[in-house]
Amino acid sequence: QVQLQQSGPGLVKPSQTLSLTCAISGDSVSSSSAAWNWIRQSPSRGLEWLGRTYYRSKWYNDYAVSLKSRITINPDTSKNQFSLQLNSVTPEDTAVYYCARDISNLLDYWGQGTLVTVSS
Amino acid sequence: DIVMTQSPDSLAVSLGERATINCKSSQSVLHISINKSYVAWYQQKPGQPPKLLITWASTRKFGVPDRFSGSESGTDFTLTISSLQAEDVAVYYCQQYYNRTFGQGTKVEIK
Repeated sequence: QVQLQQSGPGLVKPSQTLSLTCAISGDSVSSSSAAWNWIRQSPSRGLEWLGRTYYRSKWYNDYAVSLKSRITINPDTSKNQFSLQLNSVTPEDTAVYYCARDISNLLDYWGQGTLVTVSS
Repeated sequence: DIVMTQSPDSLAVSLGERATINCKSSQSVLHISINKSYVAWYQQKPGQPPKLLITWASTRKFGVPDRFSGSESGTDFTLTISSLQAEDVAVYYCQQYYNRTFGQGTKVEIK
């Protein structure tokens, strides 16, 4: 059974960097068939896919075009986890952030969600 | 981006009655070789992440009750709950997983 456990601060100041981590159990971040995603959800934007990282003989990343200049998703093989960094946040980035596994683009396991509020 | 538009935004259905949710994609998401579309349906209950119910527009995930069914016609997709149960109260989302955009959600309540 795959489980994803999210951690990270729930409050970030405007212009700073949002950082979240997703620890994986029951699978490997280096899996050759899975990809590891971040999605967020807010009343104004609904469910929004942010990006993913995956290993296919080497590491790849895909990012939402709208966030490409601000987002980084990194794997950490030593801890079997992956992380999200979103730079220069504004109140518009306030949302519940989820990590999720995808197999063939289908999001089958999700983390519990982290409410991140951007406020001074 | 491919836009997924759901209707209605909310609906109230009596227990045991049918609930029908529609979703329209702004362009084709058909996988030509299998003649099925890259469309999934998710169920989200309060305080929980979305749960995957249906893939390829009509294939129920293992363990999903058979009262849930999906269908497609061109760029129109439908999720049907044939006999609404109390535990089905949730928000339902369609998603095209060709490049991963979601519909805005449909809230299902008990009338």
